[in-house]
Amino acid sequence: EAGVTQFPSHSVIEKGQTVTLRCDPISGHDNLYWYRRVMGKEIKFLLHFVKESKQDESGMPNNRFLAERTGGTYSTLKVQPAELEDSGVYFCASSQGLLGGELFFGEGSRLTVL
Amino acid sequence: QKEVEQNSGPLSVPEGAIASLNCTYSDRGSQSFFWYRQYSGKSPELIMSIYSNGDKEDGRFTAQLNKASQYVSLLIRDSQPSDSATYLCAVGTDSNYQLIWGAGTKLIIKP
Repeated sequence: EAGVTQFPSHSVIEKGQTVTLRCDPISGHDNLYWYRRVMGKEIKFLLHFVKESKQDESGMPNNRFLAERTGGTYSTLKVQPAELEDSGVYFCASSQGLLGGELFFGEGSRLTVL
Repeated sequence: QKEVEQNSGPLSVPEGAIASLNCTYSDRGSQSFFWYRQYSGKSPELIMSIYSNGDKEDGRFTAQLNKASQYVSLLIRDSQPSDSATYLCAVGTDSNYQLIWGAGTKLIIKP
């Protein structure tokens, strides 16, 4: 069974540019989460999809971040325009059923904003 | 603000000994507790979940929860060098699916 896959694994962009991160969850997992870890800090929740619906987006830092999950399959997280403080590792995770904390994580997308 | 606290370490333990990792949390309404292991440059991997007070054992791992003290721990028996990693404590509430994460404890098992 394929795990959670994320693309790209690493992206280096300049301040003001746009980046789109993609996540393919485990097939059949309705719950999809985006998390972010800034260097030296703890992992922070960004948002949660149940199928194609945003269940909770309270962790999104600001309106420069836009997440979508069309069709309830893969998800994208767009940062536009990127700022220096957006640098970090963006993790996607998925889960099945109601056990929200038992997550399967992707390898992460490392974003570096110069 | 809800917080989860862990000692950042590194915690150095000789091979074959018991490694004890600790975590405290601030939200008394927390209902679910998780330990994730993260190898350097890799994704977090769930190793234990615990939902009620007491101990829960799975192989060499034992999770301990004390809600009155707002404390959760992870014991690793017969530590192996392959257990060297960062261990992340994560706490959830029933009201939503957000997890609040600790910053992690780096564990080093010395051969």
